[in-house]
Amino acid sequence: GAGVSQTPSNKVTEKGKYVELRCDPISGHTALYWYRQSLGQGPEFLIYFQGTGAADDSGLPNDRFFAVRPEGSVSTLKIQRTERGDSAVYLCASSPGTGEGYTFGSGTRLTVV
Amino acid sequence: AQKITQTQPGMFVQEKEAVTLDCTYDTSDPSYGLFWYKQPSSGEMIFLIYQGSYDQQNATEGRYSLNFQKARKSANLVISASQLGDSAMYFCAMREGRAGRRALTFGSGTRLQVQP
Repeated sequence: GAGVSQTPSNKVTEKGKYVELRCDPISGHTALYWYRQSLGQGPEFLIYFQGTGAADDSGLPNDRFFAVRPEGSVSTLKIQRTERGDSAVYLCASSPGTGEGYTFGSGTRLTVV
Repeated sequence: AQKITQTQPGMFVQEKEAVTLDCTYDTSDPSYGLFWYKQPSSGEMIFLIYQGSYDQQNATEGRYSLNFQKARKSANLVISASQLGDSAMYFCAMREGRAGRRALTFGSGTRLQVQP
């Protein structure tokens, strides 16, 4: 596609539920990143994929968070047993894999009630 | 220690004037890259400008320029001839050159408001 697409744009879920957030990167971009942006803060790195594999998952806060990219394009961020503190905007970005060109999506606003 | 520090939570500027947004960084890596992003109320992060640690000249992109002072570890963004559409959050970010490390570390941002 023309840009990075994230769905849904908004998600409200109850505490304890499981959620999946989807990211569709720019076609041909081999690198994909997930960030979390809490209110009034800058984005914080969660995980980076190069192709199908997670090259760096050092930002995942705990084992309730997991992400996959099975075919090297679309990625899904999965959050189990959601907590109110997980409420944030989850941003996805992709890049060609070399160089500096990161392109971000518009994010998914997750609200845990 | 904070890796990226933006000390101005909010800034005001008159339309058509220039404004400087401050950013200092902290790294021991000799190879790194510095980025500025704009985030309007729609939420999307828009890339503005990039400066590599080995670049000899300050980066410029249209009305945006980066005042890179390596010894001071600062990378301030200068916006010339401000426009009403420049009102947004601005984030400074760094990528360190350690092998395999491609994640960006962001500052807390500066909210710029351009007044007519």
